[in-house]
Amino acid sequence: DIVMTQSPLSLPVTPGEPASISCRSSQSLLHSNGFTYVDWYLQKPGQSPQLLIYLGSNRASGVPDRFSVSGSGTDFTLKISRVEAEDVGIYYCMQALQTPLTFGGGTRVEIK
Amino acid sequence: QVQLQESGPGQVKPAETLSLTCTVSGGSVSDGSFSWTWIRQPPGKGLEWIGYIYNSRTTDYNPSLRSRVTISADRSKNQISLRLSSVTAADTAVYYCARGPPALGEFDYWGQGTLVTVSS
Repeated sequence: DIVMTQSPLSLPVTPGEPASISCRSSQSLLHSNGFTYVDWYLQKPGQSPQLLIYLGSNRASGVPDRFSVSGSGTDFTLKISRVEAEDVGIYYCMQALQTPLTFGGGTRVEIK
Repeated sequence: QVQLQESGPGQVKPAETLSLTCTVSGGSVSDGSFSWTWIRQPPGKGLEWIGYIYNSRTTDYNPSLRSRVTISADRSKNQISLRLSSVTAADTAVYYCARGPPALGEFDYWGQGTLVTVSS
C-alpha cells in the first residue's frame, strides 16, 4: 500500500495569514499518462469531506483560488494564501494512483 | 444536483453482518461515467477506503477487508449497497458513499455519512 504522511498534525492559524500543509507519499504518484494522482479534501466540523484539489493541482468547482498545491512526485504542499474562518477543519490528502486508495492522517486547521 | 444518502441500522452485533444502502439521486448508478465508493471513518480517526463498484458489476476492495466485504448495485432502485460480515468493534465507524470517476480518482460528491456502532 502507498503510505501518505501529512504534517503538521495540528495547525493554528491567524485569519488573513498564509498556511501550508505537507503531504508525502511512499512512492511517486505520477502516472505514465502524465497526471499526478493526489487529491485534497477538507472535512469541516460535523460534515462529510469535500473535494478541494484533484489530480495534483486542479481546484474543484467552487473552491476559492486562495487554495493551491505545489510539489510533484512524492512531496506536495497545500497552501492557503490567506486563511479565512470558514477554512477550519481537517485536511486530508489522498492518493488515487492505485488501490487500495489511501489517505493521509489529516491536519487539523484551527483559528488561533 | 447529485445527492447521495446512506441508510441502514445504526447498531450491529459482533459477528453479524453490517448492511448499508446508498441511494443516489440526480444521477444513475448505471452511468458508466462514474464509479461508486464506500469509505469509512472510525470516531475521531482518519479515512479508510473500503472499495468501489463501476458499471454496476466491476468491483475492487481494500485487501484488508476483501474477505468480508461485498459492494453491489441495484439499478432498479438506483442504489449502491455495502455488506461487511463478521463485524467487530473495530468496524465501528461513520460510513460514507461517494462518487468517483470510472477509473481511480477523486470523489466529487459524498453522502452525509451514517454511524454504525458494533456492540452487543
